Amino acid sequence: AQKVTQAQTEISVVEKEDVTLDCVYETRDTTYYLFWYKQPPSGELVFLIRRNSFDEQNEISGRYSWNFQKSTSSFNFTITASQVVDSAVYFCALSETGYQKVTFGIGTKLQVIP
Amino acid sequence: GAGVSQSPRYKVAKRGQDVALRCDPISGHVSLFWYQQALGQGPEFLTYFQNEAQLDKSGLPSDRFFAERPEGSVSTLKIQRTQQEDSAVYLCASSLPSGGLYEQYFGPGTRLTVT
Repeated sequence: AQKVTQAQTEISVVEKEDVTLDCVYETRDTTYYLFWYKQPPSGELVFLIRRNSFDEQNEISGRYSWNFQKSTSSFNFTITASQVVDSAVYFCALSETGYQKVTFGIGTKLQVIP
Repeated sequence: GAGVSQSPRYKVAKRGQDVALRCDPISGHVSLFWYQQALGQGPEFLTYFQNEAQLDKSGLPSDRFFAERPEGSVSTLKIQRTQQEDSAVYLCASSLPSGGLYEQYFGPGTRLTVT
């Protein structure tokens, strides 16, 4: 069975601070996909990134970066120089190869204070 | 282009009523998913269609929940004899799988409140 744990339920930071959202996953598969989604107050889930388990390269996209470490089963997400518009709930998710079912974590609510 | 749309956006039902929630996926998307998101929780998988075939319905919580996608495009999630515990946001997502890599595009959801 697959499982995603986001231990931080709520985080508050002051604008321009860096913040890291933690994600730990469990799976028996050797091949799987990891995702991050953003859910702003409007409610619609927005896709941020997909990572294949064979690709452990870290990725940077603007102020966003992701650190994938298979050794610790973690896929952490860092926002650099946070902005008020980053305030949202962020979900980490996992899908095993061959299955369309995606398992989501409970989410981390990020509040960026101006 | 249009994204995933869902209707109604809000639905209030009295306990025991039947409800039908509609999802219009992105045109051409083969896969369609339904999720249930309770307050303060992450989305939980309900069911999955590939075209008109329902390939996985393992997440449907009871036989009161039924989903269909008869022509491989629009899908309807039906809940019979609604109960208070059915109150949640129901999310629909679609994707176009390509070589095993897939990202799901989500609709805005239908917020169901059972009174």
